[in-house]
Amino acid sequence: DQQVKQNSPSLSVQEGRISILNCDYTNSMFDYFLWYKKYPAEGPTFLISISSIKDKNEDGRFTVFLNKSAKHLSLHIVPSQPGDSAVYFCAARYFSGGYQKVTFGIGTKLQVIP
Amino acid sequence: NAGVMQNPRHLVRRRGQEARLRCSPMKGHSHVYWYRQLPEEGLKFMVYLQKENIIDESGMPKERFSAEFPKEGPSILRIQQVVRGDSAAYFCASSPPPKERNEQFFGPGTRLTVL
Repeated sequence: DQQVKQNSPSLSVQEGRISILNCDYTNSMFDYFLWYKKYPAEGPTFLISISSIKDKNEDGRFTVFLNKSAKHLSLHIVPSQPGDSAVYFCAARYFSGGYQKVTFGIGTKLQVIP
Repeated sequence: NAGVMQNPRHLVRRRGQEARLRCSPMKGHSHVYWYRQLPEEGLKFMVYLQKENIIDESGMPKERFSAEFPKEGPSILRIQQVVRGDSAAYFCASSPPPKERNEQFFGPGTRLTVL
């Protein structure tokens, strides 16, 4: 049962343009959503997050949008840079009884073409 | 301020041998999570541990896999009698004691190859 879905395995974008990575979820208990970035042969690194009580969070070139009614979130990168080429994982968390559980999507490989 | 450390980075085992993967969390972090990434797949949760306690092992295969996080020393993920299907990248993450909105910090991973 895939509770966090990233339906696009890959995405190619020209340098300077906007990259939009999408993520859908099914569990309404999720209260916090995160995006991680992963380069080859490295561990994922935290990029940006959003609480379920918000619909937008912005950090520099990165903006995450959350549509709770549609159970959908997206990561916008603008302008895209070649160094942004990586695999991006969407993750969703629920927090219960003092413990957190995080579920990851399968990732979207972004290629930014110079 | 060292990040999450994992060793070895690469591990080669023959079928039937044991694999031991180690994870040292970030300083001050008492919660450790193990994930597995199979080729062409995402990160799959395996187990969540606190010092000397297994909190959630719902993602662990029922046989051959075990994990511990002793009072002293690193967390260990142990795979007995490895099979080819165990070949994957295993990532460890750590976090501070749970408060809301804490992200996990990942190590560089151990790539296990079973011959």
